[in-house]
Amino acid sequence: DGGITQSPKYLFRKEGQNVTLSCEQNLNHDAMYWYRQDPGQGLRLIYYSQIVNDFQKGDIAEGYSVSREKKESFPLTVTSAQKNPTAFYLCASREGAWTDTQYFGPGTRLTVL
Amino acid sequence: DQQVKQNSPSLSVQEGRISILNCDYTNSMFDYFLWYKKYPAEGPTFLISISSIKDKNEDGRFTVFLNKSAKHLSLHIVPSQPGDSAVYFCAATPGGRGSTLGRLYFGRGTQLTVWP
Repeated sequence: DGGITQSPKYLFRKEGQNVTLSCEQNLNHDAMYWYRQDPGQGLRLIYYSQIVNDFQKGDIAEGYSVSREKKESFPLTVTSAQKNPTAFYLCASREGAWTDTQYFGPGTRLTVL
Repeated sequence: DQQVKQNSPSLSVQEGRISILNCDYTNSMFDYFLWYKKYPAEGPTFLISISSIKDKNEDGRFTVFLNKSAKHLSLHIVPSQPGDSAVYFCAATPGGRGSTLGRLYFGRGTQLTVWP
């Protein structure tokens, strides 16, 4: 059963701590994306990766970091430099360059206390 | 700068009637458009898309219309059902062009409520 998994569903952290959000896909998709959703803001792109070992900053990359060591995995680290980390984080993937449709995981709600 | 705009944050429609969700865009390089549906605390699910070479695409109860000259697209749901109640996001992309390859630009969403 192919899909995108994000874990955990809910995550709580203290202010000043780094936290890593997991995103795994078994769809054999080349490209992967991280978005952030805030109330009334829609989806804003944080980072994206077209292929393994390559990634680009999106519109709101400050305070975040990513890695793409494997095709299946695209973890996102929310660092202490991110001023407003509390949000709903969504990971997505796209099969390849011949399609523009992205498919999303279930999301992780991060709350920084 | 919001390149994709959904100016109606909410829409309320009676069951069985038509729901029309609107979306405007400013970037003339956009050539592929998508609609996603999202329930609370879940990831968006792809609904329907349209290429700029078409002006209409239909899939069951869902039809998307594209007016390129007006830079406007709309999603029609007929007939509307209570299960359609969700946030609908419009997205656009310039397709495979350089560093924007695969990027989607999203609107802020419209909350659709279908009441019995």
